[in-house]
Amino acid sequence: DVKVTQSSRYLVKRTGEKVFLECVQDMDHENMFWYRQDPGLGLRLIYFSYDVKMKEKGDIPEGYSVSREKKERFSLILESASTNQTSMYLCASRENRGIGNTEAFFGQGTRLTVV
Amino acid sequence: GEDVEQSLFLSVREGDSSVINCTYTDSSSTYLYWYKQEPGAGLQLLTYIFSNMDMKQDQRLTVLLNKKDKHLSLRIADTQTGDSAIYFCAESTSSGTYKYIFGTGTRLKVLA
Repeated sequence: DVKVTQSSRYLVKRTGEKVFLECVQDMDHENMFWYRQDPGLGLRLIYFSYDVKMKEKGDIPEGYSVSREKKERFSLILESASTNQTSMYLCASRENRGIGNTEAFFGQGTRLTVV
Repeated sequence: GEDVEQSLFLSVREGDSSVINCTYTDSSSTYLYWYKQEPGAGLQLLTYIFSNMDMKQDQRLTVLLNKKDKHLSLRIADTQTGDSAIYFCAESTSSGTYKYIFGTGTRLKVLA
């Protein structure tokens, strides 16, 4: 059974803290993604990675960075957390088959509250 | 640019059909998807359609694609209370890096 695991379901952090959100997949997928989900805005792509040590900015990268040192792990970093980063964060992975159809597998989400 | 839009809410009675609509702007979309998100969970793939198809049926689910109008719909027959969830359409394009573009999500509420 395929699995994408996010390290925490709920996190509460203080403004200005450095925050790490971890995601691990066990499917040997090349592509990994971080989204944030906000009511009425759907899923917005923060960053994605198409291979180890490779990353590209998504639609809303400001205030975030990422790290992919190993194929199975993709970390999202909030350098200095702010209250407008309070959100649900979703990690996903998918196999890279070029333009072929591939399903994205999602983790269960991390609900981050910045106070 | 790329944009995928959905209405935010839909309410139906148990046993009725639900139709969730989606419009997209990228004409180079190769695959279009429907994902379901149950409360407190991540997204799960429900079904998908290749852009050269008009319709796809999978048990209670029917996907219709109007490529000319860039309109995608998901029909759920005999809607059950367990179908209450948020439904996202998504497109995957052949331009650039094959990333997904998700819609805003439609919250379906099924009334008993």
